[in-house]
Amino acid sequence: AQSVTQPDIHITVSEGASLELRCNYSYGATPYLFWYVQSPGQGLQLLLKYFSGDTLVQGIKGFEAEFKRSQSSFNLRKPSVHWSDAAEYFCAVGAGMDSNYQLIWGAGTKLIIKP
Amino acid sequence: NAGVTQTPKFRVLKTGQSMTLLCAQDMNHEYMYWYRQDPGMGLRLIHYSVGEGTTAKGEVPDGYNVSRLKKQNFLLGLESAAPSQTSVYFCASSRALVAGHTDTQYFGPGTRLTVL
Repeated sequence: AQSVTQPDIHITVSEGASLELRCNYSYGATPYLFWYVQSPGQGLQLLLKYFSGDTLVQGIKGFEAEFKRSQSSFNLRKPSVHWSDAAEYFCAVGAGMDSNYQLIWGAGTKLIIKP
Repeated sequence: NAGVTQTPKFRVLKTGQSMTLLCAQDMNHEYMYWYRQDPGMGLRLIHYSVGEGTTAKGEVPDGYNVSRLKKQNFLLGLESAAPSQTSVYFCASSRALVAGHTDTQYFGPGTRLTVL
């Protein structure tokens, strides 16, 4: 069965520092990959997605993610975080009919920004 | 476009009461989903629909029913509410892609439900 692992429940970084959030998945074929962000009290918003092509994808708010097939990973990065980036981040994987038309969600990583 | 809207935004129920949550989307999306989100539990899929008139169970369907009589609406019903159903409920919709893949899921703002 497909699965998604976000190993870090919480991450604390200083404002202005770089950020990397990890996401690993288990699926035999190439999945469709997504990163979403959820600010407190809000719904989820798409940051970026990868379906095919260039394995480095750019998203909104200065985020990027790199698909590494050999490592089954799709890590999210940002060179310099801002206080407004404090939120919860979810990685999700789509496996088409293999996942019954659903997205398989990671448990989320809560990002805390130190001033 | 309003995107995905959810009604109501907040609700307090007593144990045993029933209610219906309404989700509406104006993007002509084929797929629609109901999730619940609890602290430390991430998103869990309750039910979903891949087209008008079709529904399917997700990870945590017990105690809930759904209907999709119109393409743009997806209703979630609680027949006899229990305190364990206290949660934030999110609806999402997406475009269908090849081989059953879902495109970006667009989320509503959520309904905060408390069952006493």
